[in-house]
Amino acid sequence: DQQVKQNSPSLSVQEGRISILNCDYTNSMFDYFLWYKKYPAEGPTFLISISSIKDKNEDGRFTVFLNKSAKHLSLHIVPSQPGDSAVYFCAAMLSPNAGGTSYGKLTFGQGTILTVHP
Amino acid sequence: KAGVTQTPRYLIKTRGQQVTLSCSPISGHRSVSWYQQTPGQGLQFLFEYFSETQRNKGNFPGRFSGRQFSNSRSEMNVSTLELGDSALYLCASSSLGRGRQETQYFGPGTRLLVL
Repeated sequence: DQQVKQNSPSLSVQEGRISILNCDYTNSMFDYFLWYKKYPAEGPTFLISISSIKDKNEDGRFTVFLNKSAKHLSLHIVPSQPGDSAVYFCAAMLSPNAGGTSYGKLTFGQGTILTVHP
Repeated sequence: KAGVTQTPRYLIKTRGQQVTLSCSPISGHRSVSWYQQTPGQGLQFLFEYFSETQRNKGNFPGRFSGRQFSNSRSEMNVSTLELGDSALYLCASSSLGRGRQETQYFGPGTRLLVL
């Protein structure tokens, strides 16, 4: 049972345009969401996060939007750069109301490969 | 501030052997989580430690174990290695270990190959 899903395995974008990466979740007990960027054989690098009490968070070129009613979040990268080419993972953390199963556990989507062409 | 460090970076073992991986969290971080990444299963949570106590455990067999020391450094051990244990093992640390709304910062990982 995959509770966090990234339905697009890959996305190709032209340099300077907007990249939109999507993520859906099924567990309403998730209350914190993060996006990570990853290169092969390296650890994920944190990009941006959002709490469930917000619907938008912005950091430079990165903006994350959260739609709780739809259980959907998206990461916008504007403008996209060739250096953004990597695998992007969304991850979710359970609310403490979920009990002991919330401690230190991120549930990840399967990732989306973003390619930004010059 | 130095990031999360993991040693060794690469490891080759044979079936039946055991292996110990090490993780040093960011200075001041008290919570350490471990993950396994494989092509088929993606990133899967193994366990989390805080103040030398395991607070949470993922759905992995008992061959996977870990511990945390008083300086927050952590080790994970896999006994009786199987071919399917070949993976990238990642450790992540967070500062307060509240278990809620905390960003985890990842190390570079240890690539384990079981032959």
